[in-house]
Amino acid sequence: FMLTQPHSVSESPGGTVTISCTRSSGSIVTNYVQWYQHRPGSSPVTVIHEDNLRPSGVPDRFFGSIDSSSNSASLTISGLKTEDEADYYCQSFDGRDQVFGGGTKLTVL
Amino acid sequence: QVQLVQSGAGMKKPGASVKVSCQTSGYPFISYYINWVRRAPGQGLEWMGIINPSDGGTTYAQKFQGRITLTRDTAASTVYMELSSLRSDDTATYFCARARRGITLIGFDYWGQGALVTVSS
Repeated sequence: FMLTQPHSVSESPGGTVTISCTRSSGSIVTNYVQWYQHRPGSSPVTVIHEDNLRPSGVPDRFFGSIDSSSNSASLTISGLKTEDEADYYCQSFDGRDQVFGGGTKLTVL
Repeated sequence: QVQLVQSGAGMKKPGASVKVSCQTSGYPFISYYINWVRRAPGQGLEWMGIINPSDGGTTYAQKFQGRITLTRDTAASTVYMELSSLRSDDTATYFCARARRGITLIGFDYWGQGALVTVSS
């Protein structure tokens, strides 16, 4: 299956943004979805794992959810800060391979 | 603390091979699968393959089959990724990433710092 994300989103500091990740075939609930933040020059960082769990150190401004009706996962970031500006990727496991979404560039301006 | 330290970055000519290492520490080496992920300029994250450090078993993404080899040295707690027949579009930063809780179902928890490989004549 493929995971499809919007190419880019933008929002002002303090605002809220939601990034979607739509699974092309099979049910989104079949395999856990993870979200990674990737800034240029750094290593990716997990912000959500197992659909909606935040690793320690990730602020509760980051929220993950699953919507079976749209067969998609979503990452919602509230109280946006300039430091949130990065590329965000959803990821899941298809039984053999790890699958990444194409990534969404978040601009906070 | 858990650390994945990579080496092997550099410039390679088309047709050559590159071998990137990922030295791990701070946890039982054989208990956690290690994945390899790359990001090319202007592109997204791309999964390349996975190795089970316990028995050396591997799974490769179809795109890289025949060009990628993952190996491990248990004494050195190190995993290696070798990519052959390099092309210009293999120019990318290559990351190793540990499987969360040692299994393949729930993504990655710790990442190496990345190794930039540039393929140019």
